[in-house]
Amino acid sequence: DAGVIQSPRHEVTEMGQEVTLRCKPISGHNSLFWYRQTMMRGLELLIYFNNNVPIDDSGMPEDRFSAKMPNASFSTLKIQPSEPRDSAVYFCASSLSDRPGDTQYFGPGTRLTVL
Amino acid sequence: AQSVSQHNHHVILSEAASLELGCNYSYGGTVNLFWYVQYPGQHLQLLLKYFSGDPLVKGIKGFEAEFIKSKFSFNLRKPSVQWSDTAEYFCAVGGATNKLIFGTGTLLAVQP
Repeated sequence: DAGVIQSPRHEVTEMGQEVTLRCKPISGHNSLFWYRQTMMRGLELLIYFNNNVPIDDSGMPEDRFSAKMPNASFSTLKIQPSEPRDSAVYFCASSLSDRPGDTQYFGPGTRLTVL
Repeated sequence: AQSVSQHNHHVILSEAASLELGCNYSYGGTVNLFWYVQYPGQHLQLLLKYFSGDPLVKGIKGFEAEFIKSKFSFNLRKPSVQWSDTAEYFCAVGGATNKLIFGTGTLLAVQP
């Protein structure tokens, strides 16, 4: 199994530009999670989906952030417009089901730098 | 609201020393507890988890953790660390949903 796939692995952009991060969960997994990791705030859950439906987006910082999951094998996290404070590593994770206790498998992350 | 507290932000040990990383959680209900590890340059991976049953959980690479309900704790232990254990360790708590709340992490440096 290829594991969770994220692209790009690194993204450098200028303030005000639109950024789109992509995630392909493990095949057959029904839940998908987007996290952001910073030195100051650690690992924060932004949003998660069960069966392609957003369940909890309370961690999304503001309206500049949006996430979609058009099908079971693809999700995007979009930031528009981007700001320097959005610089972080963004992780995607997936789990087999929405049952409590299911292990989450993480992707390699996208390191975003906003200048 | 759920929360996780990891008291040790940075730990430095010599090889063969014993390790204990603290994790305390706050949650009013049935909990699922996890320890994840992030090796330098790699993504997070599961070390071990507690879902139910025996409160002493054994994970990969000789790690174990004990769920003590009365203390709201899930401390991670290893009797003898190796240089290759240098990594960042994250405790996480889940409850009635599959959402996880992570602690801020503990950076472990093992000196050869």
